[in-house]
Amino acid sequence: AQSVTQPDIHITVSEGASLELRCNYSYGATPYLFWYVQSPGQGLQLLLKYFSGDTLVQGIKGFEAEFKRSQSSFNLRKPSVHWSDAAEYFCAVGKAAGNKLTFGGGTRVLVKP
Amino acid sequence: DAGITQSPRHKVTETGTPVTLRCHQTENHRYMYWYRQDPGHGLRLIHYSYGVKDTDKGEVSDGYSVSRSKTEDFLLTLESATSSQTSVYFCAISDSGGGSYDEQFFGPGTRLTVL
Repeated sequence: AQSVTQPDIHITVSEGASLELRCNYSYGATPYLFWYVQSPGQGLQLLLKYFSGDTLVQGIKGFEAEFKRSQSSFNLRKPSVHWSDAAEYFCAVGKAAGNKLTFGGGTRVLVKP
Repeated sequence: DAGITQSPRHKVTETGTPVTLRCHQTENHRYMYWYRQDPGHGLRLIHYSYGVKDTDKGEVSDGYSVSRSKTEDFLLTLESATSSQTSVYFCAISDSGGGSYDEQFFGPGTRLTVL
């Protein structure tokens, strides 16, 4: 069965500093990988996705993620965070059959001024 | 934004009562999903639908049932609500499956409290 682990429950970062969120997955085949962001009281918004090809994926809001098959990881990065990046971030792996997603537990990001 | 609405947005109910949550889409997407979100667990799939009257279970389906009589509507029913079903429920839609993949679009969520 597929699974996703986000080792960091909370991360605090200063505004303007870089951010990296970790995601490790377990899946038997080529994974479809996603990062979603959830602002307080809101639904989930897709930041970026990896299906195949270039292992460095660019997303919205200045985020990027790198797929590393050897490490079963799909870490999310942003070079310089803004106060508006304070949110909860979810990594997910997709299974083509049924188009189903398995989510990690999420990482809550706090941004200090 | 994808046209997904959920109703009600907030509900407080008592243990043992039936509850139905509605998800409505205007995108004509084939796939619809119900998730629950709980702290530390991310989102977990309850049930999903791959067409009208075609549904299947997810990883946390016990105590829940679903129905889809029209493409645009997907109902989630708690036959007899329990306190463990207090959660935030999200509906999602997608247009692909069966060998290919596409992103899922999420609704705004329904906060359900069972007393």
